[in-house]
Amino acid sequence: EDKVVQSPLSLVVHEGDTVTLNCSYEVTNFRSLLWYKQEKKAPTFLFMLTSSGIEKKSGRLSSILDKKELFSILNITATQTGDSAVYLCADSGSARQLTFGSGTQLTVLP
Amino acid sequence: KAGVTQTPRYLIKTRGQQVTLSCSPISGHRSVSWYQQTPGQGLQFLFEYFSETQRNKGNFPGRFSGRQFSNSRSEMNVSTLELGDSALYLCASSLGTLQTSPNYGYTFGSGTRLTVV
Repeated sequence: EDKVVQSPLSLVVHEGDTVTLNCSYEVTNFRSLLWYKQEKKAPTFLFMLTSSGIEKKSGRLSSILDKKELFSILNITATQTGDSAVYLCADSGSARQLTFGSGTQLTVLP
Repeated sequence: KAGVTQTPRYLIKTRGQQVTLSCSPISGHRSVSWYQQTPGQGLQFLFEYFSETQRNKGNFPGRFSGRQFSNSRSEMNVSTLELGDSALYLCASSLGTLQTSPNYGYTFGSGTRLTVV
């Protein structure tokens, strides 16, 4: 059974700080690892990391995948209050479903 | 283009009742998956439909069922509701199934908030 563990569970920072969110996974057959941002209801897609794409960047957000150590990190630089959300990572491994971690609740204070 | 649409947004039901939730995927998407989100368990997979066929099912009791229509719209039904069924139910659509097209990614709807009293 695939397993995804995120840390920390919650994080409080001030605007302008840089944060690093962690996601470790145990999967039988790795396919891809996805990051989502959930502000109120609908998780919105951020990145997909695969064996052929282990680094992604979009604006102030970036993510890397370490297939050897089985983890991924999501970095957010120069945080803004609008970055406050739950960040979810999920793997699409052998189980033919997305297996989600419990999420990291990020709060950015002005 | 329109995103994934879920109706209704909110529902309040009493124990023992049944409920039907609806999900309209993005136009052209043929795969619809359903997830239950609760504070204690996080996001858990319910089932996935593709071309009107259930392709995969999560570890939920038989009270949870679903179907997909020829236009790719999907419904999920929960019978004999229990208090523990209170949750946010999310559906996600994709061009292909996770098994055959793992790199397509999924787009989620805003969910239906079900409260069982």
